[in-house]
Amino acid sequence: QKEVEQNSGPLSVPEGAIASLNCTYSDRGSQSFFWYRQYSGKSPELIMFIYSNGDKEDGRFTAQLNKASQYVSLLIRDSQPSDSATYLCAVARQLTFGSGTQLTVLP
Amino acid sequence: DAGVIQSPRHEVTEMGQEVTLRCKPISGHNSLFWYRQTMMRGLELLIYFNNNVPIDDSGMPEDRFSAKMPNASFSTLKIQPSEPRDSAVYFCASSTQGDQPQHFGDGTRLSIL
Repeated sequence: QKEVEQNSGPLSVPEGAIASLNCTYSDRGSQSFFWYRQYSGKSPELIMFIYSNGDKEDGRFTAQLNKASQYVSLLIRDSQPSDSATYLCAVARQLTFGSGTQLTVLP
Repeated sequence: DAGVIQSPRHEVTEMGQEVTLRCKPISGHNSLFWYRQTMMRGLELLIYFNNNVPIDDSGMPEDRFSAKMPNASFSTLKIQPSEPRDSAVYFCASSTQGDQPQHFGDGTRLSIL
């Protein structure tokens, strides 16, 4: 079992829709979770971090954490074509990134 | 503030040559990470330093790879001898502590012919 698993892509959503990206992790003691966005040919860019159970909102982005289920997700509301990128989930304690989910937002 | 600075941005060299990648972390960041990214294997952690000391080098693929951090503002990743399978994008990242968000440099795109 991989330490950090992301839902397989690619994922396509129409412009204006909600994109839902999911991630599970194996280390039950993990405390810090991050979502990075990576455009093609660029470096990963931090967009959200979450440490506590529940939801954390920042603009159009919402991160959700459920430590009991070892599950973290990222919701992107009102998706825009500029959101088209690969989204990487990272678990700090495991120093591990998921394989990424490629998101395409269709105009 | 300057971000993480990596050099060179691109490197093309022949098999067997020594390759040295360089990284300057964000000032004040105590943790530094080297990653390798390929299509097949994704983003892999190679080595992690905290306060200039290597903490976890279990991701270093083999003895051909070595990394140093002689001071808080500079780190190198060296490959000697290089092989075509080392071709990848190598990222350096830094953070205030190991479990805090990491900030990535622009990466070095390495091609071994």
